[in-house]
Amino acid sequence: NAGVTQTPKFQVLKTGQSMTLQCAQDMNHEYMSWYRQDPGMGLRLIHYSVGAGITDQGEVPNGYNVSRSTTEDFPLRLLSAAPSQTSVYFCASSYSKGDRLWEQYFGPGTRLTVT
Amino acid sequence: TQLLEQSPQFLSIQEGENLTVYCNSSSVFSSLQWYRQEPGEGPVLLVTVVTGGEVKKLKRLTFQFGDARKDSSLHITAAQPGDTGLYLCAPMIYNQGGKLIFGQGTELSVKP
Repeated sequence: NAGVTQTPKFQVLKTGQSMTLQCAQDMNHEYMSWYRQDPGMGLRLIHYSVGAGITDQGEVPNGYNVSRSTTEDFPLRLLSAAPSQTSVYFCASSYSKGDRLWEQYFGPGTRLTVT
Repeated sequence: TQLLEQSPQFLSIQEGENLTVYCNSSSVFSSLQWYRQEPGEGPVLLVTVVTGGEVKKLKRLTFQFGDARKDSSLHITAAQPGDTGLYLCAPMIYNQGGKLIFGQGTELSVKP
């Protein structure tokens, strides 16, 4: 299993540009989420999905869109990039079974800089 | 609303010392997870605690969930340079399965 994969690993955008961060998992997990990580602020939830066709907003959803057409993929779209969106973005998938309660499996991250 | 507070935010110690990291909140949680993150990588799950008062051990790491399920601690005995990293607590809110809130983390540096 590849686990959770994210592309690209690094990206530089100019203000106003749009782009999609890709995330895929091959573990058949029902739950997927996107976080951003900024210095001193831990991980903040952007959007999450409890299954294909179902998405919901997290703590910091403004400026981002998501969709979940398949169990495996959960792309994050930046509509019009702003310098405040400079961050490291992590995608995660998780499941709950028996005593394994919603263990999150994280991808390697995408480091985004907006100039 | 700040639901979660981790302390200390930074910790720099010598190899062989003991340390404790705290995760506190005024809210009650159904369970709580601890993760460790190394530079340039995503967080990796260390443990999940579920029952109030529960203690779990992972080699030199001891995790405790508060009796009231509002707080947790991570104690490392005889720290080693390999323990260096960012430690994150992530409690789960009742009836919001899968949705975690992460603390701001404790950045630990263990010097040889």
